[in-house]
Formats: sequence, C-alpha cells, structure tokens
Amino acid sequence: GNSVTQMEGPVTLSEEAFLTINCTYTATGYPSLFWYVQYPGEGLQLLLKATKADDKGSNKGFEATYRKETTSFHLEKGSVQVSDSAVYFCALRPLNNAGNMLTFGGGTRLMVKP
Amino acid sequence: DVKVTQSSRYLVKRTGEKVFLECVQDMDHENMFWYRQDPGLGLRLIYFSYDVKMKEKGDIPEGYSVSREKKERFSLILESASTNQTSMYLCASSLPINYGYTFGSGTRLTVV
Repeated sequence: GNSVTQMEGPVTLSEEAFLTINCTYTATGYPSLFWYVQYPGEGLQLLLKATKADDKGSNKGFEATYRKETTSFHLEKGSVQVSDSAVYFCALRPLNNAGNMLTFGGGTRLMVKP
Repeated sequence: DVKVTQSSRYLVKRTGEKVFLECVQDMDHENMFWYRQDPGLGLRLIYFSYDVKMKEKGDIPEGYSVSREKKERFSLILESASTNQTSMYLCASSLPINYGYTFGSGTRLTVV
C-alpha cells in the first residue's frame, strides 16, 4: 500500500537557520507529492506540490524536489522565521488509486525561536 | 479564491446529543472528505464522498454518518456524541486526480 514517512518532531530552530524536514514515500506508480502546512488552530493549507520526477515545488521560500530514485520529497528553507512555526505534513496522491486519496505523513512540528 | 467553509470554529456539546458539522465548498469539486485530528494520531479519515448522495467509509467511521444531498455540501453527523469524539474536525474537497485537497479551517468540538 501507499505510505508516507516524516521525521519525528518537534524540530526546534533559531531564526534564520536552515530547515530540512525529511519525507520519504512508498507508492505504486508515480504519485503526485505535496507539502501542507498547519498553523496553530487552523486547517491545512497547501504549501507546494510536484507531480513528476525531478519537479521542484516552491512557495514562500520553501522548496522540495521530487526524487524518484530515493522516493523522497524533503522540504527545505534557507532561512526560517518565527512565523514559520507550524506543523508540516507531507502527502502523496497516486494517479491510479480508485479513490484518488491523499495519504498523509504523521506531521512534523517546527518551532522557530527568535 | 477557492474556499471550503466549515460552519463553526468551536462547538461544545453534551454527551448523547446529535451533532451536525457542516461543510460547504464553492469550487464545484466532486470529492469531499471528513477527517479528525488528534495529538499523536495525525489525520484520520472518517468518511468521503465522490459525488452527490454517494459516501464511502474511511478508517474510523464508527459513531459517525454523513450526508451529501448537494454537490457543494458535505455534512458529518455524530449520532450520539461521546466524550471520545472530542477532537478537531477537518473538511476537505478536491478534483479527482493530480491535485491536492483544499481544507476548511476546522471545527474544534468538545463533548462534555
């Protein structure tokens, strides 16, 4: 079956530090890959996506590259801000899944200190 | 801007009450979903729907039912609320393939 594995949190960084949140997946075929962000008390918002191998999704200074050879989609940001403190979810959506369902990772909480 | 609107941000209900959580989307999406989110358990799918009057059980449907009478509206029903249904409930909608989901802001339900 399909699965998404994210690094355990919380990840605690100082402002302006470099961020990496690891995400690896298992899926049949070539799924679309997503990162969602959830700010405190809010629903999930789509942060970025990639739909095929070697695609790079980017938004708000975050980026992630679809790596088919390592089945990974790691989230990176060069300089985090306090306002980036949130929970980040990696997800996949297989193209041939009858339900076209998103499979989510467990989420990684990021805490950025001033 | 596309929107998924959940009718309440916060709800407090008593044990045994019948509770309705409403979700409306304005994007003409076929697919709609209800999740609950609990600390340490991530997102768990309760029910989903591919079309009007159609519903499928997710991973944790026990104690819940749903209704989709119109394409834009997907309601989650707690037939007899219990304290273990205290949670954050998230509604989402999507097109069939290759796209992500659009989520509502969530309803934090407390059952006392």
